[in-house]
Amino acid sequence: KQEVTQIPAALSVPEGENLVLNCSFTDSAIYNLQWFRQDPGKGLTSLLLIQSSQREQTSGRLNASLDKSSGRSTLYIAASQPGDSATYLCAVSVMNTGFQKLVFGTGTRLLVSP
Amino acid sequence: NAGVTQTPKFQVLKTGQSMTLQCAQDMNHNSMYWYRQDPGMGLRLIYYSASEGTTDKGEVPNGYNVSRLNKREFSLRLESAAPSQTSVYFCASSEEGSATYEQYFGPGTRLTVT
Repeated sequence: KQEVTQIPAALSVPEGENLVLNCSFTDSAIYNLQWFRQDPGKGLTSLLLIQSSQREQTSGRLNASLDKSSGRSTLYIAASQPGDSATYLCAVSVMNTGFQKLVFGTGTRLLVSP
Repeated sequence: NAGVTQTPKFQVLKTGQSMTLQCAQDMNHNSMYWYRQDPGMGLRLIYYSASEGTTDKGEVPNGYNVSRLNKREFSLRLESAAPSQTSVYFCASSEEGSATYEQYFGPGTRLTVT
């Protein structure tokens, strides 16, 4: 059974710092990996999707990497801002009887202080 | 383009009451999903629908029923609500057969069962 773990559970940094969020998964047979952002009391916003054949994706100050063989992904946030404060969720897509399903980690809660 | 919409946004039920959570998407996606999110548990799949007229159980289906009314709409019904069903419910959709299988999420329904 696929399991997704995110470390750390919470992170507090001063504004301007570069930071890395970690995601690990137990089964390398994934179709893709998505990083989401969730603000308190809100829904999920997709940040980056990395297909299994890719090694990384970039969007603005965000860079996500994927190492399928070791079961790891990282989300790098450059020059963090208070507006980056949110919970970041990692999810891997697995195929089951021809249908894809997402398995989520429990998230990293990020606080960026001015 | 509204994406994925959910109603209601908030609901309080008493134990034993019933209700239906509504979800609709306007992206012409074939696949739709219902998840629940609980503190410390991450998002867990309740039911999914690969296409109109088909539904399948996910990880935590007990206590729920679903209906794929048409290609746009996928509803989740609680027949006899229990306090253990207090959670945030998210609906999502994706296009099976797309290059990325990316899932798009609605804003969520926050349900409290007393």
